[in-house]
Amino acid sequence: DTAVSQTPKYLVTQMGNDKSIKCEQNLGHDTMYWYKQDSKKFLKIMFSYNNKELIINETVPNRFSPKSPDKAHLNLHINSLELGDSAVYFCASSPGTSGGETQYFGPGTRLLVL
Amino acid sequence: GDSVTQMEGPVTLSEEAFLTINCTYTATGYPSLFWYVQYPGEGLQLLLKATKADDKGSNKGFEATYRKETTSFHLEKGSVQVSDSAVYFCALINTNSGYSTLTFGKGTMLLVSP
Repeated sequence: DTAVSQTPKYLVTQMGNDKSIKCEQNLGHDTMYWYKQDSKKFLKIMFSYNNKELIINETVPNRFSPKSPDKAHLNLHINSLELGDSAVYFCASSPGTSGGETQYFGPGTRLLVL
Repeated sequence: GDSVTQMEGPVTLSEEAFLTINCTYTATGYPSLFWYVQYPGEGLQLLLKATKADDKGSNKGFEATYRKETTSFHLEKGSVQVSDSAVYFCALINTNSGYSTLTFGKGTMLLVSP
């Protein structure tokens, strides 16, 4: 069974469209994250949720809106897509928010905006 | 703010060669340190971690020791294999921030030839 899953794996769309990426974890973790990996492989945190509550929002444009319907799911909706949004988006989860806990990553969603 | 610096890649080695990938960090307090690996087309997997000074993390023949005096967490392997070809990310979590998001280095690509 996949621990952290994301759908879709690939997403190709036109500028200006709205799209969503879904993430689910079956590890029973309390905390979930979205990271963005740019074309140079650099990874940066976007959002973090703990028990369905937003705890971190790292100066991401408000076109990006995360939603956590329950502890096992964290979805990412993106409005008015721009060329610069093209990247790989990774979902991750961890048991909680203490520092030494391992974060488990999903396989990534490769978004290409044309 | 916190930061992680890794050696630039790609690192190109022949099979059975010795590997070192340098990683240094800047952080207040006592961060936990991690190495993640990303195989082509896949998500990130935890390779090893260390949560306090002088701890050694090890997995699959890879090792790294948390050196507080030099703020370093260099990755080593005695004999690399072609299957080790991947991008390696050094990362930290700083508990002083109150949250557990990962701060990543820029990644180092390793290419191992037969």
